[in-house]
Amino acid sequence: QQQVKQSPQSLIVQKGGIPIINCAYENTAFDYFPWYQQFPGKGPALLIAIRPDVSEKKEGRFTISFNKSAKQFSLHIMDSQPGDSATYFCAAHYQGAQKLVFGQGTRLTINP
Amino acid sequence: DAGITQSPRYKITETGRQVTLMCHQTWSHSYMFWYRQDLGHGLRLIYYSAAADITDKGEVPDGYVVSRSKTENFPLTLESATRSQTSVYFCASSDGTGHGYTFGSGTRLTVV
Repeated sequence: QQQVKQSPQSLIVQKGGIPIINCAYENTAFDYFPWYQQFPGKGPALLIAIRPDVSEKKEGRFTISFNKSAKQFSLHIMDSQPGDSATYFCAAHYQGAQKLVFGQGTRLTINP
Repeated sequence: DAGITQSPRYKITETGRQVTLMCHQTWSHSYMFWYRQDLGHGLRLIYYSAAADITDKGEVPDGYVVSRSKTENFPLTLESATRSQTSVYFCASSDGTGHGYTFGSGTRLTVV
């Protein structure tokens, strides 16, 4: 039972394009929504995160958009670069339980 | 060196054998987690621990055993390995805020 649904499973974008990865959730007990970036052979690393009382957060070229009423959030990568090629995971944190639930992951390829 | 380390990085074992994956962290984080990563499923929580001697099941605990006698160590044991347990296993630790998950580099386990 996947409590956070992520799409697409894979995405190919040309350099400079804006890849968008989408996630949806059902459980209103989630209180924090991080995105993780994973390079081959490495563990996931925290990229950017947002709380549900904020509609948008930007860090460098990475932006999270959050729609609380729709229970959806997305990651946008501005001016994408080949070095951004990685697997991206959205996640949701259970309030009080200190657990993260992850989406299925998106394998992103940025072509030069 | 400070951080979270997993060992071994790679392991091949036979069906029915017991195998233990090790995880060690140097931050004295209270929370530790074991996830498995499989294509199409993302990261799924196997077990987690809130403190020494306190463990709880995650989403996919069957066939696994954990212990946590010391804060810094959280080994994962497959009591009788099956081919379906072929996966990449990640250990993570957290300071308890849910915002500071740090992952190890993973153990790629193949059960033949």
